Amino acid sequence: GAVVSQHPSRVICKSGTSVKIECRSLDFQATTMFWYRQFPKQSLMLMATSNEGSKATYEQGVEKDKFLINHASLTLSTLTVTSAHPEDSSFYICSAVAGGYNEQFFGPGTRLTVL
Amino acid sequence: GQQLNQSPQSMFIQEGEDVSMNCTSSSIFNTWLWYKQDPGEGPVLLIALYKAGELTSNGRLTAQFGITRKDSFLNISASIPSDVGIYFCAGQGFSGGSNYKLTFGKGTLLTVNP
Repeated sequence: GAVVSQHPSRVICKSGTSVKIECRSLDFQATTMFWYRQFPKQSLMLMATSNEGSKATYEQGVEKDKFLINHASLTLSTLTVTSAHPEDSSFYICSAVAGGYNEQFFGPGTRLTVL
Repeated sequence: GQQLNQSPQSMFIQEGEDVSMNCTSSSIFNTWLWYKQDPGEGPVLLIALYKAGELTSNGRLTAQFGITRKDSFLNISASIPSDVGIYFCAGQGFSGGSNYKLTFGKGTLLTVNP
């Protein structure tokens, strides 16, 4: 149980285009989902907290207009990187929390490369 | 903001050796967690610590939550090649903050030489 999936696992796009990454909780309802970014050889940095049916809460320094987060259902959250640039190239990881519990279950990550 | 200091940054050991890594924090956390991340994958939870002073084992892994709630260590005994990866400590739930948010250490890269 407690499986989180991400799609796609890898994506390559041209500079200036937008990319959508999906995060799904497969066998539980996720009241809260988190989006992290990880640059090579670095730790996971929290970008935003997403609660179902409400606006995401972004961490300081993360542009909300550039990283659009939608958590429209209890099993799906999406992160859209708008007008992507090469410096947005990174490993994006989501996690999900079931209602009433604190443990975060992590997805397998999405490798974004912006050319 | 919250900061976790994790050491060492990297370790290169021989198969069969024991290894230890630790984390310290300037803040008190309610929960300490240890994760392992393989290349190109998301982190996987190894051990969760909930009580100050708690010592918990999971197979060859042992972790302890410091009495002050500001530190933790992870020991791996009799290392094997599949222990290779990056190990992260993480603190969860601090005074005045979210119960869910995780603050990660910078990671320890473990290499095991067969």
